Amino acid sequence: GALVYQYPRRTICKSGTSMRMECQAVGFQATSVAWYRQSPQKTFELIALSTVNSAIKYEQNFTQEKFPISHPNLSFSSMTVLNAYLEDRGLYLCGARYTSNTEVFFGKGTRLTVV
Amino acid sequence: SQWGEENLQALSIQEGEDVTMNCSYKTYTTVVQWYRQKSGKGPAQLILIRSNEREKRSGRLRATLDTSSQSSSLSITGTLATDTAVYFCATPQGSALGRLHFGAGTQLIVIP
Repeated sequence: GALVYQYPRRTICKSGTSMRMECQAVGFQATSVAWYRQSPQKTFELIALSTVNSAIKYEQNFTQEKFPISHPNLSFSSMTVLNAYLEDRGLYLCGARYTSNTEVFFGKGTRLTVV
Repeated sequence: SQWGEENLQALSIQEGEDVTMNCSYKTYTTVVQWYRQKSGKGPAQLILIRSNEREKRSGRLRATLDTSSQSSSLSITGTLATDTAVYFCATPQGSALGRLHFGAGTQLIVIP
């Protein structure tokens, strides 16, 4: 079956430091990977969509300078939260899919706490 | 926001009862997806319903889509305690499914 693994599952970083999180697709080719942040109130924010062999598209309020993403192959993507502050806290989810009309599979997320 | 509901809704019911959760959306869409997110997990797709399908069933689940009222619903019959989760509706942003706009969600608690 199709699975998406994210690690670390949770992390704590000091304010002003950076933290890298990873997303691994197993059982399918992750042509596209979207990164989301989920707040404690459960609301989702789409950060960016990365498609292999295409430019990464960042949503409004999110930038490459703050959330650089790497999507080097069809099974792996990583995102770094640079210079993290309190407002960056949340559950970071990656959703990967094979084609534009197939189901999106989500990992369990990386929970970021900033202290 | 794409969705009419801005805050997480909460529902608490007894096991065995039926439940219906609703979403209303603002911008035209041809696809609505329903996701379930259990505690400590990522969202998992339950049903995808398209604008040419007014209703779609999967086991105890039934989704509807009314494009005229721009609303969708998800019903669960004979709920189980294991149905306890947050349920989200989502629409794609743009033509592809990769960029999803999630609704605020409904926290469903099924009491055994």
